Amino acid sequence: AQTVTQSQPEMSVQEAETVTLSCTYDTSESDYYLFWYKQPPSRQMILVIRQEAYKQQNATENRFSVNFQKAAKSFSLKISDSQLGDAAMYFCAYRHFNYGGSQGNLIFGKGTKLSVKP
Amino acid sequence: DAGVTQSPTHLIKTRGQHVTLRCSPISGHKSVSWYQQVLGQGPQFIFQYYEKEERGRGNFPDRFSARQFPNYSSELNVNALLLGDSALYLCASRWTGMGGYTFGSGTRLTVV
Repeated sequence: AQTVTQSQPEMSVQEAETVTLSCTYDTSESDYYLFWYKQPPSRQMILVIRQEAYKQQNATENRFSVNFQKAAKSFSLKISDSQLGDAAMYFCAYRHFNYGGSQGNLIFGKGTKLSVKP
Repeated sequence: DAGVTQSPTHLIKTRGQHVTLRCSPISGHKSVSWYQQVLGQGPQFIFQYYEKEERGRGNFPDRFSARQFPNYSSELNVNALLLGDSALYLCASRWTGMGGYTFGSGTRLTVV
C-alpha cells in the first residue's frame, strides 16, 4: 500500500523569506501523481501544485516550486517570498496513474502547519 | 463558475442517529469522491463514484454508504453514528482521469 509521510508537523517562516516543506512517499508503482494542497482555516483544500512522476522537470507555479526526487521518493515544496496569506496547513498527496479510467483516490500525509511571521 | 458545493456546512447529531451529507460537483465533472478528515490528520478516502457507479471504497465500516445521481451530485450516508465519526467530511470532484481534484469546503459533523 502507498504511504505519504510529512515529518514536519509545524514550520515557521519570516515574511518574504523562503521555506521548504518535506514529503516522502512509498510506492511500488512507476507512474503516479503527486500534489501539494493548502488548507487555510476556511477548511477548503486548495491545489497548490502537481507533479506527474513521468516528468523529470520539477513543477513550478509562481512562488511555489517542487523538488521531485523519484529515486529517493521525495517531493518537497518550496515557497519563495512568503506572504501572510500562505499561512495554512499544507498536505502532500499521492495518486496512482490511471489510463483513462476513473479510479485513483488521493492518499494524504498528516500535514505541516505553516506559520508566517510579519 | 460555481465550485464544489457541500451542504450542510455544520451539523450536530446524537450517537445512534443517521446523517446524510450532500455534494454538488463542478459542472461537467463526473467523478465525485468523499474524504473524512479527523482533527489534526490528513483526509482519509471513503468513496469514489464515477458515472453513478462506485469505483473505489476506503477502509470504512458498512455504516458508511454513498450514491451518485444522474446529475452527478452525490450523497454520503452514515448510520448508527459514533462519537468517532465526528470529523470534517470533504467532497471532491474531477473531470478526467488525468486531472487533480477540486474540493468543497466540507461539512463539519459533530456527534454528541
